[in-house]
Amino acid sequence: GAGVSQSPSNKVTEKGKDVELRCDPISGHTALYWYRQSLGQGLEFLIYFQGNSAPDKSGLPSDRFSAERTGGSVSTLTIQRTQQEDSAVYLCASSERTGHTEAFFGQGTRLTVV
Amino acid sequence: AQSVTQLDSQVPVFEEAPVELRCNYSSSVSVYLFWYVQYPNQGLQLLLKYLSGSTLVESINGFEAEFNKSQTSFHLRKPSVHISDTAEYFCAVSGGATNKLIFGTGTLLAVQP
Repeated sequence: GAGVSQSPSNKVTEKGKDVELRCDPISGHTALYWYRQSLGQGLEFLIYFQGNSAPDKSGLPSDRFSAERTGGSVSTLTIQRTQQEDSAVYLCASSERTGHTEAFFGQGTRLTVV
Repeated sequence: AQSVTQLDSQVPVFEEAPVELRCNYSSSVSVYLFWYVQYPNQGLQLLLKYLSGSTLVESINGFEAEFNKSQTSFHLRKPSVHISDTAEYFCAVSGGATNKLIFGTGTLLAVQP
Protein backbone atom coordinates (compact mmCIF):
# COMPACT_ATOMS: atom_id res chain seq x y z
CA GLY A 1 0.00 0.00 0.00
CA ALA A 2 0.89 3.64 -0.11
CA GLY A 3 1.58 3.93 3.59
CA VAL A 4 1.60 2.05 6.86
CA SER A 5 -1.89 0.89 7.70
CA GLN A 6 -3.07 0.00 11.20
CA SER A 7 -6.33 -1.54 12.26
CA PRO A 8 -8.52 -0.99 14.06
CA SER A 9 -8.11 2.75 14.47
CA ASN A 10 -9.97 2.63 17.76
CA LYS A 11 -10.61 -0.26 20.11
CA VAL A 12 -12.55 -0.26 23.35
CA THR A 13 -12.30 -3.47 25.32
CA GLU A 14 -13.24 -4.73 28.74
CA LYS A 15 -10.59 -5.41 31.30
CA GLY A 16 -9.42 -8.99 31.09
CA LYS A 17 -10.19 -9.46 27.41
CA ASP A 18 -7.55 -10.18 24.75
CA VAL A 19 -6.98 -7.77 21.85
CA GLU A 20 -5.13 -8.01 18.55
CA LEU A 21 -3.72 -4.98 16.79
CA ARG A 22 -2.70 -5.23 13.16
CA CYS A 23 -0.06 -3.44 11.14
CA ASP A 24 0.40 -3.51 7.37
CA PRO A 25 3.80 -2.01 6.56
CA ILE A 26 4.86 -0.37 3.33
CA SER A 27 5.53 -3.02 0.73
CA GLY A 28 9.19 -4.04 0.62
CA HIS A 29 10.07 -2.61 4.02
CA THR A 30 12.02 -5.19 5.98
CA ALA A 31 12.05 -3.42 9.34
CA LEU A 32 8.88 -3.00 11.41
CA TYR A 33 8.55 -1.31 14.80
CA TRP A 34 5.86 -1.20 17.48
CA TYR A 35 5.64 1.68 19.95
CA ARG A 36 3.22 2.73 22.66
CA GLN A 37 2.37 6.41 23.08
CA SER A 38 0.90 7.54 26.36
CA LEU A 39 0.33 11.06 27.59
CA GLY A 40 3.58 12.41 28.97
CA GLN A 41 5.47 9.20 28.18
CA GLY A 42 6.58 9.85 24.64
CA LEU A 43 7.07 6.89 22.35
CA GLU A 44 7.85 3.77 24.33
CA PHE A 45 9.67 1.15 22.25
CA LEU A 46 8.01 -2.25 22.41
CA ILE A 47 9.56 -4.51 19.79
CA TYR A 48 10.99 -4.47 16.32
CA PHE A 49 11.26 -6.97 13.49
CA GLN A 50 13.87 -7.45 10.84
CA GLY A 51 12.05 -9.64 8.36
CA ASN A 52 10.14 -12.16 10.45
CA SER A 53 12.66 -12.16 13.28
CA ALA A 54 12.49 -9.98 16.38
CA PRO A 55 16.08 -9.16 17.43
CA ASP A 56 14.90 -7.04 20.32
CA LYS A 57 11.81 -7.71 22.42
CA SER A 58 13.14 -5.86 25.43
CA GLY A 59 10.42 -3.22 25.39
CA LEU A 60 7.45 -5.54 25.83
CA PRO A 61 6.01 -4.50 29.24
CA SER A 62 5.02 -7.98 30.40
CA ASP A 63 4.41 -11.52 29.21
CA ARG A 64 0.84 -10.49 28.39
CA PHE A 65 2.27 -8.74 25.34
CA SER A 66 3.42 -10.62 22.26
CA ALA A 67 3.95 -9.87 18.60
CA GLU A 68 4.55 -11.77 15.44
CA ARG A 69 5.26 -11.02 11.82
CA THR A 70 4.56 -13.36 8.96
CA GLY A 71 5.81 -13.38 5.40
CA GLY A 72 7.98 -10.40 6.15
CA SER A 73 4.88 -8.25 5.95
CA VAL A 74 1.88 -8.01 8.27
CA SER A 75 2.48 -7.87 12.01
CA THR A 76 0.10 -8.49 14.88
CA LEU A 77 0.53 -7.19 18.43
CA THR A 78 -1.48 -9.20 20.93
CA ILE A 79 -2.30 -8.11 24.45
CA GLN A 80 -3.77 -10.79 26.68
CA ARG A 81 -5.89 -10.15 29.76
CA THR A 82 -5.89 -6.41 29.16
CA GLN A 83 -5.51 -4.02 32.08
CA GLN A 84 -6.49 -0.38 32.35
CA GLU A 85 -2.85 0.67 32.25
CA ASP A 86 -2.65 -0.81 28.75
CA SER A 87 -4.79 2.06 27.48
CA ALA A 88 -2.68 4.06 25.02
CA VAL A 89 -2.10 4.68 21.34
CA TYR A 90 -0.16 1.84 19.74
CA LEU A 91 1.94 2.96 16.80
CA CYS A 92 3.51 0.89 14.09
CA ALA A 93 6.30 2.05 11.78
CA SER A 94 8.24 0.47 8.96
CA SER A 95 11.49 1.27 7.17
CA GLU A 96 13.49 -0.17 4.32
CA ARG A 97 15.91 -1.52 6.90
CA THR A 98 17.04 -0.66 10.39
CA GLY A 99 19.65 1.95 11.18
CA HIS A 100 19.85 5.01 9.03
CA THR A 101 16.69 4.87 6.98
CA GLU A 102 13.53 6.85 7.65
CA ALA A 103 10.74 5.16 9.57
CA PHE A 104 7.21 5.73 8.27
CA PHE A 105 4.44 5.68 10.85
CA GLY A 106 0.85 4.53 10.74
CA GLN A 107 -1.96 6.53 12.31
CA GLY A 108 -2.03 4.25 15.31
CA THR A 109 -4.62 2.25 17.21
CA ARG A 110 -6.17 3.96 20.20
CA LEU A 111 -6.82 1.26 22.80
CA THR A 112 -9.13 1.98 25.71
CA VAL A 113 -9.54 -0.63 28.41
CA VAL A 114 -12.65 -0.10 30.53
CA ALA B 1 22.18 0.80 25.88
CA GLN B 2 21.06 3.81 23.90
CA SER B 3 18.79 6.48 25.33
CA VAL B 4 17.45 9.89 24.40
CA THR B 5 16.70 12.76 26.75
CA GLN B 6 14.48 15.70 25.92
CA LEU B 7 14.59 17.88 29.01
CA ASP B 8 11.81 20.25 28.00
CA SER B 9 8.33 18.77 27.92
CA GLN B 10 6.83 22.01 26.68
CA VAL B 11 8.29 25.16 25.12
CA PRO B 12 6.00 28.19 24.76
CA VAL B 13 7.22 30.84 22.33
CA PHE B 14 5.80 33.86 20.54
CA GLU B 15 5.45 33.90 16.78
CA GLU B 16 8.57 35.07 14.92
CA ALA B 17 10.79 34.40 17.94
CA PRO B 18 13.70 31.95 17.76
CA VAL B 19 13.44 28.56 19.42
CA GLU B 20 15.73 25.72 20.47
CA LEU B 21 14.48 22.26 21.43
CA ARG B 22 17.09 20.30 23.30
CA CYS B 23 18.05 16.68 22.75
CA ASN B 24 20.83 14.67 24.34
CA TYR B 25 21.59 11.05 23.63
CA SER B 26 23.58 8.31 25.24
CA SER B 27 25.37 5.69 23.17
CA SER B 28 28.71 3.94 23.19
CA VAL B 29 28.79 3.52 19.43
CA SER B 30 28.21 5.59 16.34
CA VAL B 31 24.63 6.70 15.98
CA TYR B 32 22.14 8.05 13.53
CA LEU B 33 20.02 10.92 14.85
CA PHE B 34 16.55 12.04 13.85
CA TRP B 35 13.91 14.62 14.64
CA TYR B 36 10.30 13.63 14.02
CA VAL B 37 7.29 15.95 14.24
CA GLN B 38 3.68 15.19 15.13
CA TYR B 39 1.22 17.93 14.18
CA PRO B 40 -2.12 17.98 16.02
CA ASN B 41 -4.25 14.97 15.10
CA GLN B 42 -1.67 13.71 12.61
CA GLY B 43 0.86 10.90 12.52
CA LEU B 44 4.59 11.20 13.09
CA GLN B 45 6.73 12.27 10.17
CA LEU B 46 10.44 12.76 9.70
CA LEU B 47 11.66 16.37 9.99
CA LEU B 48 15.40 15.89 9.50
CA LYS B 49 18.20 13.41 10.12
CA TYR B 50 21.93 13.17 10.69
CA LEU B 51 23.68 10.14 9.28
CA SER B 52 27.26 11.29 8.60
CA GLY B 53 29.19 14.14 7.04
CA SER B 54 28.23 17.72 7.79
CA THR B 55 27.15 18.09 11.39
CA LEU B 56 24.54 20.71 10.50
CA VAL B 57 21.40 19.40 8.84
CA GLU B 58 18.37 21.33 7.66
CA SER B 59 14.72 20.70 6.94
CA ILE B 60 12.64 22.18 4.15
CA ASN B 61 10.64 24.37 6.53
CA GLY B 62 13.51 26.24 8.14
CA PHE B 63 14.46 24.00 11.05
CA GLU B 64 18.07 22.94 11.55
CA ALA B 65 19.87 20.65 13.96
CA GLU B 66 23.53 20.29 14.79
CA PHE B 67 25.21 17.06 15.79
CA ASN B 68 27.68 17.69 18.60
CA LYS B 69 29.58 14.51 19.38
CA SER B 70 31.52 15.89 22.35
CA GLN B 71 28.32 17.06 24.04
CA THR B 72 26.25 14.12 22.74
CA SER B 73 23.60 16.57 21.64
CA PHE B 74 21.38 17.11 18.62
CA HIS B 75 19.45 20.29 19.41
CA LEU B 76 16.77 21.54 17.02
CA ARG B 77 16.60 25.24 16.19
CA LYS B 78 14.57 27.66 14.14
CA PRO B 79 15.38 31.38 13.91
CA SER B 80 11.75 32.49 13.51
CA VAL B 81 8.76 30.27 14.30
CA HIS B 82 5.25 30.36 12.85
CA ILE B 83 1.93 29.43 14.35
CA SER B 84 1.92 26.43 12.01
CA ASP B 85 5.04 25.05 13.74
CA THR B 86 2.92 24.21 16.79
CA ALA B 87 3.42 20.47 17.21
CA GLU B 88 5.14 17.83 19.30
CA TYR B 89 8.75 17.20 18.36
CA PHE B 90 10.51 13.92 19.06
CA CYS B 91 14.24 13.29 18.98
CA ALA B 92 15.31 9.74 18.10
CA VAL B 93 18.50 7.71 17.88
CA SER B 94 19.41 4.54 16.05
CA GLY B 95 22.61 2.56 15.78
CA GLY B 96 24.75 0.03 17.56
CA ALA B 97 24.35 -3.71 17.47
CA THR B 98 20.58 -3.82 17.26
CA ASN B 99 19.89 -0.65 15.30
CA LYS B 100 16.54 -0.19 17.00
CA LEU B 101 15.01 3.28 16.82
CA ILE B 102 14.62 4.87 20.25
CA PHE B 103 12.63 8.05 20.91
CA GLY B 104 12.71 10.73 23.57
CA THR B 105 9.63 11.76 25.51
CA GLY B 106 8.89 14.63 23.16
CA THR B 107 8.71 18.43 23.42
CA LEU B 108 5.50 20.30 22.76
CA LEU B 109 6.26 23.50 20.87
CA ALA B 110 3.42 25.94 21.48
CA VAL B 111 3.65 29.02 19.27
CA GLN B 112 1.54 31.94 20.44
CA PRO B 113 0.49 34.97 18.37
